[in-house]
Amino acid sequence: GAVVSQHPSRVICKSGTSVKIECRSLDFQATTMFWYRQFPKQSLMLMATSNEGSKATYEQGVEKDKFLINHASLTLSTLTVTSAHPEDSSFYICSARATSDTANYGYTFGSGTRLTVV
Amino acid sequence: AQTVTQSQPEMSVQEAETVTLSCTYDTSESDYYLFWYKQPPSRQMILVIRQEAYKQQNATENRFSVNFQKAAKSFSLKISDSQLGDAAMYFCAYRGGGADGLTFGKGTHLIIQP
Repeated sequence: GAVVSQHPSRVICKSGTSVKIECRSLDFQATTMFWYRQFPKQSLMLMATSNEGSKATYEQGVEKDKFLINHASLTLSTLTVTSAHPEDSSFYICSARATSDTANYGYTFGSGTRLTVV
Repeated sequence: AQTVTQSQPEMSVQEAETVTLSCTYDTSESDYYLFWYKQPPSRQMILVIRQEAYKQQNATENRFSVNFQKAAKSFSLKISDSQLGDAAMYFCAYRGGGADGLTFGKGTHLIIQP
């Protein structure tokens, strides 16, 4: 089945630094990938939609200059949290939909990244 | 904007019994998709079942089935013969016909009592 690899699974960074999270589709091509944020014991909130070869589309209220998204290939999207602050600490999850998924079957999720900013 | 509401923060069921998780949604679209995802303690999101709005027949996947009431905008999940491995957070999610990303409900924490 479709697999999405997300790295790192956990990261601790100092306030003011940047951290990059990778989301990679291992056995399928994904024109579109999605980034979600999940606070403790809460739901997933869509942050942005990442399209290969074009700029990401951000949801209302998400700072595009803080959360930089790059989707340079059909199998890789990255999320960079720039100038991280403690309030950016959260669980970040990516998901991907296969380019061949014309039936809109569904989405494959990565295993998530727990970011802690100290 | 679409909203998804799960009114049960937590549900508990005896092993082997049946449990129903509620989900309602609000949309003005006629073409959309609905999903139930399971998130165990590992935090990995696992697709349980999905339903296309244009299909009248309720989706079924082994012990999991849905009751899709389009007019009422209701999409409940029934888990039959509950197993200990079913214990997890369950999220109802909506995808519009034109949008790509999912809108999730707040989730229901399902506890299975042995």
